[in-house]
Amino acid sequence: GQQVMQIPQYQHVQEGEDFTTYCNSSTTLSNIQWYKQRPGGHPVFLIQLVKSGEVKKQKRLTFQFGEAKKNSSLHITATQTTDVGTYFCAGLDNFNKFYFGSGTKLNVKP
Amino acid sequence: NAGVTQTPKFQVLKTGQSMTLQCAQDMNHEYMSWYRQDPGMGLRLIHYSVGAGITDQGEVPNGYNVSRSTTEDFPLRLLSAAPSQTSVYFCASSMQMGGTDTQYFGPGTRLTVL
Repeated sequence: GQQVMQIPQYQHVQEGEDFTTYCNSSTTLSNIQWYKQRPGGHPVFLIQLVKSGEVKKQKRLTFQFGEAKKNSSLHITATQTTDVGTYFCAGLDNFNKFYFGSGTKLNVKP
Repeated sequence: NAGVTQTPKFQVLKTGQSMTLQCAQDMNHEYMSWYRQDPGMGLRLIHYSVGAGITDQGEVPNGYNVSRSTTEDFPLRLLSAAPSQTSVYFCASSMQMGGTDTQYFGPGTRLTVL
């Protein structure tokens, strides 16, 4: 079954508002990756987090890995229409099994 | 570099038919994998390969076969298509094992089984 849960499933925001998606695992993860998939497109790698409590930033995107390495979040500041898409987290467990979350679909209204 | 290429882009099959989805990469990556994407389910791993001649099952392998005779190619075979296999199929490759390194995805094959 699904090892990595992601919420919310959908998020509609007005352009300029912030957005956050959360990823939770029932087991400790070795690392976590984040991908973005534009409508009709394929997943594109954004970032990988490995260390407990790690925080990484890419322009308006902030990624966090929880202290217990069981959860992660992606926060987008001041969304733009170019941020539209589905954001997936994917985690590697301690048995080297890799699981994708179900994704959060972001819609940004101009 | 073309990256990861997949053919065909679209395919319609009748129940019971067989077919092969093609995947190729030109980045000399050892690790390749196949995922299926269904609405609300994210991506689920079907099969993967850590190098030529080596394959293993993922989360949802039933009804699919793979082989890896070369580093570049990793075809996915549907033995006897069923409506439950209607999905979007993505091939991915990475330098190291999936989940430890950046995975590059192909454009996908949209398969409908009637």
